[in-house]
Amino acid sequence: DSGVTQTPKHLITATGQRVTLRCSPRSGDLSVYWYQQSLDQGLQFLIQYYNGEERAKGNILERFSAQQFPDLHSELNLSSLELGDSALYFCASLGLGYGYTFGSGTRLTVV
Amino acid sequence: AQSVAQPEDQVNVAEGNPLTVKCTYSVSGNPYLFWYVQYPNRGLQFLLKYITGDNLVKGSYGFEAEFNKSQTSFHLKKPSALVSDSALYFCAVRDYFGNNAGNMLTFGGGTRLMVKP
Repeated sequence: DSGVTQTPKHLITATGQRVTLRCSPRSGDLSVYWYQQSLDQGLQFLIQYYNGEERAKGNILERFSAQQFPDLHSELNLSSLELGDSALYFCASLGLGYGYTFGSGTRLTVV
Repeated sequence: AQSVAQPEDQVNVAEGNPLTVKCTYSVSGNPYLFWYVQYPNRGLQFLLKYITGDNLVKGSYGFEAEFNKSQTSFHLKKPSALVSDSALYFCAVRDYFGNNAGNMLTFGGGTRLMVKP
């Protein structure tokens, strides 16, 4: 157990739908990162939050949004889902000593 | 922007032999480099990192990596491979967004390591 918790582990949904992925960082970590891993794109950085504020944005689609709540958990919202959004979505948190710790991921399948 | 490259999609090695998984980097300034391993249907597990100091970094599960500034490389090594080392390995570099002090890891494309008995 890495200490970064992601739910759900698996999600199957239809095209056009909206889903929410949840991440709880390691205790004490203020930064949360979201990554998408797909076969053709590899590991792509989506977005970073630090203590509730957006700090960095990568190749995140406009259909995707995220937020970090006061208790530091984060949610990634994916809407108007397309087949190509099927991927493994990872959350990571950053602790002292530049240690990025990843959760076990949410596997999203869009059918 | 910082970047890393993993030139090999797959590395095959026999159990008991030494293994090397290659990574080269392109950065401005001092690099912060990382290696992660991903087993099937699992998340990314941290192996080791180079921030500063000794060029030979020791990590988890007997892995080590050598930082070479002149060759801009950060190859992952292990003296004796195990079948259980078979997995997907990612090299990564810390990248920055200067305005808001944002940061992230930029990953290489990954190298699949196959260790055969």
